[in-house]
Amino acid sequence: QVQLQESGPGLVKPSETLSLTCTVSGGSVSSTGYYWAWIRQPPGKGLEWIESIYHSGNTYYNPSLKSRVTISVDTSKNRFSLKLSSVTAADTAVYYCARHLNWGARYFDLWGRGTLVTVSS
Amino acid sequence: EIVLTQSPGTLSLSPGERATLSCRASQSVSSSYLAWYQQKPGQAPRLLIYGASSRATGIPDRFSGSGSGADFTLTISRLEPEDFAVYYCQQYGNSMYTFGQGTKLEIK
Repeated sequence: QVQLQESGPGLVKPSETLSLTCTVSGGSVSSTGYYWAWIRQPPGKGLEWIESIYHSGNTYYNPSLKSRVTISVDTSKNRFSLKLSSVTAADTAVYYCARHLNWGARYFDLWGRGTLVTVSS
Repeated sequence: EIVLTQSPGTLSLSPGERATLSCRASQSVSSSYLAWYQQKPGQAPRLLIYGASSRATGIPDRFSGSGSGADFTLTISRLEPEDFAVYYCQQYGNSMYTFGQGTKLEIK
């Protein structure tokens, strides 16, 4: 079955750029109709959707983070990535990658296990 | 941005009891765009309900969702020990996804 796995540094310094990758296994990032998303959860807090991307490169985003976020997809490596610039302690969170359809009911049906990123000097 | 407010913040019940969790939106949400998730400590959220009332694959029928407009409800008919967790509602609107702040369901 399709699985998602996040990877990237667990520690990032303030003002630097956080970079994460989500690798899709058992399926294709080019699957018709599926968007690929990043969602984060600060320790002990709720969930925040960051941005979504289609294999064509089409994206839609959370306006509150848009100025600092870059999301991309690499169909040759079956993965997609997140870059968040100028990080602060407020960006410390578990970052999840997830999948959703872009038609009909809108929900995240598949999630990675998440990776904790701590912003600290 | 559509804000989702979940209540109560914490719900203390015993196994076998019925749980009713509320999710209220700051404006009307299409029922197709309302989902519920369960999250246990150290785990990713798990989809329970989509389209306000459709159970996801493998979800027991003690979980049910209802509601329309700006008011939605997740009901767990008879609580099992494994149901004690945090529950989130989620909506899609104005090209954005937002989540409620969560309801913690704890053992009384």
